[in-house]
Amino acid sequence: GESVGLHLPTLSVQEGDNSIINCAYSNSASDYFIWYKQESGKGPQFIIDIRSNMDKRQGQRVTVLLNKTVKHLSLQIAATQPGDSAVYFCAENNMGGNKLTFGTGTQLKVEL
Amino acid sequence: KAGVTQTPRYLIKTRGQQVTLSCSPISGHRSVSWYQQTPGQGLQFLFEYFSETQRNKGNFPGRFSGRQFSNSRSEMNVSTLELGDSALYLCASSSSRRSDEETQYFGPGTRLLVL
Repeated sequence: GESVGLHLPTLSVQEGDNSIINCAYSNSASDYFIWYKQESGKGPQFIIDIRSNMDKRQGQRVTVLLNKTVKHLSLQIAATQPGDSAVYFCAENNMGGNKLTFGTGTQLKVEL
Repeated sequence: KAGVTQTPRYLIKTRGQQVTLSCSPISGHRSVSWYQQTPGQGLQFLFEYFSETQRNKGNFPGRFSGRQFSNSRSEMNVSTLELGDSALYLCASSSSRRSDEETQYFGPGTRLLVL
């Protein structure tokens, strides 16, 4: 799927630097959060998730931080690579089910 | 294992027409969700089906409808197309009713252009 496009906030980083992408979520009842990556021509791809009873979770080169007090989520990507260039979305879910509410997305551009 | 497939990938229609989009989930997955993606509104949930039953519906007009077959394949239909229906329509499948139990996998989407 093509990116959301025109009005996305953009984060430009140098290859090898760390990236931090932020997201404010809307529903204080949300108890599960996911970060997705969407490359041009593709659908969103799962990166990492976190439950509301946690404030940090680490994966391979990625870390998600959750601050429920201010309803804020962040995705940290270590040693950013050109292949990380994409649009990143946070998504929230509450009370189970598969319905996800997505944030507006951030375009990450990795400069060589 | 094959991923989620959506057909057709691209579609051009005119206002007032109707359209049917198809989604084949990953083998063994019984949940299929549909989303609309536009530059203005981002990704918005349309509806979810699990074992042929609609479990959840987003805030879209009745022109948007869907169904799921016994083999878990799903279709969505949009009647009386409007220009604003131009979007990328994504479907996602899962083996679980709950997103916090099993990952949802997205297909590549169907790009619909309404003229």
